[in-house]
Amino acid sequence: EIVLTQSPGTLSLSPGESATLSCRASQSVSNSYLAWYQQKPGQAPRLLIYGASSRATGIPDRFSGSGSGTDFSLTISRVEPEDFAVYYCQHYGGSPFFGPGTKVDIK
Amino acid sequence: EVQLVESGGGLVQPGGSLRLSCAASGFTFSGSSMNWVRQAPGKGLQWISYVSSSGSTVSYADSVKGRFTISRDNARNSLYLQLNSLKAEDTAVYYCVKDFQRWGIFGYWGLGTLVTVSS
Repeated sequence: EIVLTQSPGTLSLSPGESATLSCRASQSVSNSYLAWYQQKPGQAPRLLIYGASSRATGIPDRFSGSGSGTDFSLTISRVEPEDFAVYYCQHYGGSPFFGPGTKVDIK
Repeated sequence: EVQLVESGGGLVQPGGSLRLSCAASGFTFSGSSMNWVRQAPGKGLQWISYVSSSGSTVSYADSVKGRFTISRDNARNSLYLQLNSLKAEDTAVYYCVKDFQRWGIFGYWGLGTLVTVSS
């Protein structure tokens, strides 16, 4: 079973700053089967990125994903007020497994 | 527009049972694999079950295997999750989730239904 860890646990930013969120896998993620989700309080998660770097439909281009093997990242360039949320990475290709999440909050 | 609407949650005693339903619309339900994902209060996300588009293939997380049963009725555009032998640690919001392109890319989510297991 691939275990995902995310860092940092919390990231405090001001609007307009850029953010880089990290996701590390306990073993190599095949075919870059890695997705990122955004969840705001009281809402269901929303798919942002799949295949490590492909943006889902309707996702702004300020969100970008990168990485391969065991190290992946989600970058938010110029954070907007609506981007403050919890972000989860998740691997698939077998039983899906989520990381513990990174909370992005307002500084 | 894809819509997934869960129902059936509520308060149940430990050891009890519950059946969750998910009404799907806005897409060809019989052509899409589906999942249930849960989230305990204040905690992260946990995938718990998958069913293929035809219903012939199912999969479960170890934590619910033998206690939960996923099923679907393609004629009714509905997904179900039977929860038996419930434990306090099963308390969570249960989301109905549609796959996007392949199993595990969770492209569409319902709003969720809360299951509380408590005496």
